[in-house]
Amino acid sequence: DAGVTQSPTHLIKTRGQHVTLRCSPISGHKSVSWYQQVLGQGPQFIFQYYEKEERGRGNFPDRFSARQFPNYSSELNVNALLLGDSALYLCASSVGTGNYEQYFGPGTRLTVT
Amino acid sequence: LAKTTQPISMDSYEGQEVNITCSHNNIATNDYITWYQQFPSQGPRFIIQGYKTKVTNEVASLFIPADRKSSTLSLPRVSLSDTAVYYCLVALFYSGAGSYQLTFGKGTKLSVIP
Repeated sequence: DAGVTQSPTHLIKTRGQHVTLRCSPISGHKSVSWYQQVLGQGPQFIFQYYEKEERGRGNFPDRFSARQFPNYSSELNVNALLLGDSALYLCASSVGTGNYEQYFGPGTRLTVT
Repeated sequence: LAKTTQPISMDSYEGQEVNITCSHNNIATNDYITWYQQFPSQGPRFIIQGYKTKVTNEVASLFIPADRKSSTLSLPRVSLSDTAVYYCLVALFYSGAGSYQLTFGKGTKLSVIP
């Protein structure tokens, strides 16, 4: 069975640009969560979606948005990129909401220059 | 936001039992406490989750006191391959909005010494 997949694996963007990150959950999982992990720190919660509805939101500015599609895949969008947005963006899928057991993808490494 | 506190680092010799405690307040009364392991350049990997008292699986045990203000991950007989960062993850649930906020601890870097 395939695990959580994320694309792209790496990308480099310039300040002010927009980026879209993609995540495909494990088959049968209806919940997707997004996290930002800066080097040397723990993951920071951005969003959780379940059955295409937002079920959780962390303390991130409105430049960050996400959505979940009918096939349960998800996109994270970040507008007006700042240097501080450089991080590893992790996607996790789960069968349930909240703090249910989550399976993480390998992440997308975003560098903003 | 739930606040979590973990030791920054721990050292242990191979074969010893390691206990890592995470202190947390204001967590959701009806949600799990989970622990994850992370190796460099990889996503976190689920270790164990529990709601209260003691849970054990094939790799670890989790102890949660009745007040749920802390949890302790116990790794029996660690090996070199257990060298990693360990995180607790807790949830806050906002009933009015029907939404969750998940908070990872800052992580405990475990170094296993031969």
